[in-house]
Amino acid sequence: DVKVTQSSRYLVKRTGEKVFLECVQDMDHENMFWYRQDPGLGLRLIYFSYDVKMKEKGDIPEGYSVSREKKERFSLILESASTNQTSMYLCASSLWGLDADTQYFGPGTRLTVL
Amino acid sequence: ELKVEQNPLFLSMQEGKNYTIYCNYSTTSDRLYWYRQDPGKSLESLFVLLSNGAVKQEGRLMASLDTKARLSTLHITAAVHDLSATYFCAVDTRGGSEKLVFGKGTKLTVNP
Repeated sequence: DVKVTQSSRYLVKRTGEKVFLECVQDMDHENMFWYRQDPGLGLRLIYFSYDVKMKEKGDIPEGYSVSREKKERFSLILESASTNQTSMYLCASSLWGLDADTQYFGPGTRLTVL
Repeated sequence: ELKVEQNPLFLSMQEGKNYTIYCNYSTTSDRLYWYRQDPGKSLESLFVLLSNGAVKQEGRLMASLDTKARLSTLHITAAVHDLSATYFCAVDTRGGSEKLVFGKGTKLTVNP
């Protein structure tokens, strides 16, 4: 069974803290993605990675960075958390190229920055 | 820039009724996805539509794709309460489940 897991379901951090969100997939997928979901705005792509150590900016990369040292793991880093980064963060993975059938999503991390 | 518009954004319907959710997109794409999200949960894949004229059905839900009109529809037949959820369409900008652009979602409530 396809599985994408995220390190925390709920996280509370203070403004200025460095925050790490981790995502692991067990499907040997090449592509991994980080989205944030906000009411009324839908899902917006922050970053994605199509191979180890490869990354590409999405639509809203400002204030975020990512790391992919191993194929199965993709980390989202908030260098200095701010209150406007309070959101639901969703990780997803997929096969690369035209073999891709869909993106598989993790359960999400609800981050609150105080 | 690819834009994906869903309508309606909110839909309240009675059990047993039929309705259609529309998903329009602004540039050429041959791949469109539908996802379901229950409150507090993540997204679950419903349908993958890979070519013009594609039609997929699962239970009371049927999705179709018209790439020439840049339109996909999600039709609900004889709605039941269990279908209450938010439904998202997403368009593939690169032809390989990469860089999906999502609509804002349609929140469906099915009332007894």
